[in-house]
Amino acid sequence: DTGVSQNPRHKITKRGQNVTFRCDPISEHNRLYWYRQTLGQGPEFLTYFQNEAQLEKSRLLSDRFSAERPKGSFSTLEIQRTEQGDSAMYLCASSLAGSGSEGMGTQYFGPGTRLTVL
Amino acid sequence: AQSVTQLGSHVSVSEGALVLLRCNYSSSVPPYLFWYVQYPNQGLQLLLKYTSAATLVKGINGFEAEFKKSETSFHLTKPSAHMSDAAEYFCAVTSNSGYSTLTFGKGTMLLVSP
Repeated sequence: DTGVSQNPRHKITKRGQNVTFRCDPISEHNRLYWYRQTLGQGPEFLTYFQNEAQLEKSRLLSDRFSAERPKGSFSTLEIQRTEQGDSAMYLCASSLAGSGSEGMGTQYFGPGTRLTVL
Repeated sequence: AQSVTQLGSHVSVSEGALVLLRCNYSSSVPPYLFWYVQYPNQGLQLLLKYTSAATLVKGINGFEAEFKKSETSFHLTKPSAHMSDAAEYFCAVTSNSGYSTLTFGKGTMLLVSP
C-alpha cells in the first residue's frame, strides 16, 4: 500500500495559463475525490468519481475546471485560464466503497498540489 | 445538509497538559465523524473515526474522541500533549450512506509550548 500520490507537489503559473494535476489513488480504491483548501480553511469538496464515472460536482467547480478518471485508475484535474483566486492546495483522496461500515466513508488523502497563480 | 463547527481557531497548551479540541456537527441523518491532522505543507492524515459503533473512539498517537449525540459533539482529547502534536486538526462529517463527501470544519491549530 503506497498511499495516495499527487503530482506535481507545487505549481506556479501565470494568470490565464492552463494547469493539470494528477492523482494516483490507493490501488484497490474505487472512489476518488478532489478537494480544494485555501489558507486558513478546511478542505472543500470539488468532485468525486466512482470507478470512471464522475458522480458529483460541487458548484465550486466552475466550467474552467474539468476532471477525468479514465479507466477508473488515476485522475487528472485541469484548470483552464487560471485566475489568482484559484491559488490553493488541491487535495486528492481515495476510498473503498461497499466494504461495510468500517470501510465506508473513510477517505485517505494525498500530500496535495499547491497552486500559485501570479 | 451537514456542517461542522470547530470552536477556537487556535489552541495553546503546554507540553504534558491535556489537549481538548472541540467539534460540533449538524446532520439531518446519522453521521460518520472523523478527525484528521495536517502538518505544514502536507496532506491530511486520519486520526480516528466514528462509524456508529462504540461512542468512545481511540485513534493514533494517543488521541481519542467521544461521540455525544445529545450534544451533537465529537471532541478530540489527548491526556498529555507532546511537542510533535503541534499541527492543524480538522473535524469532518459525512452521512452513513457511504455515498457522501466529507464536510470539514475550518480547523484548529494546536500549539504546544515546552
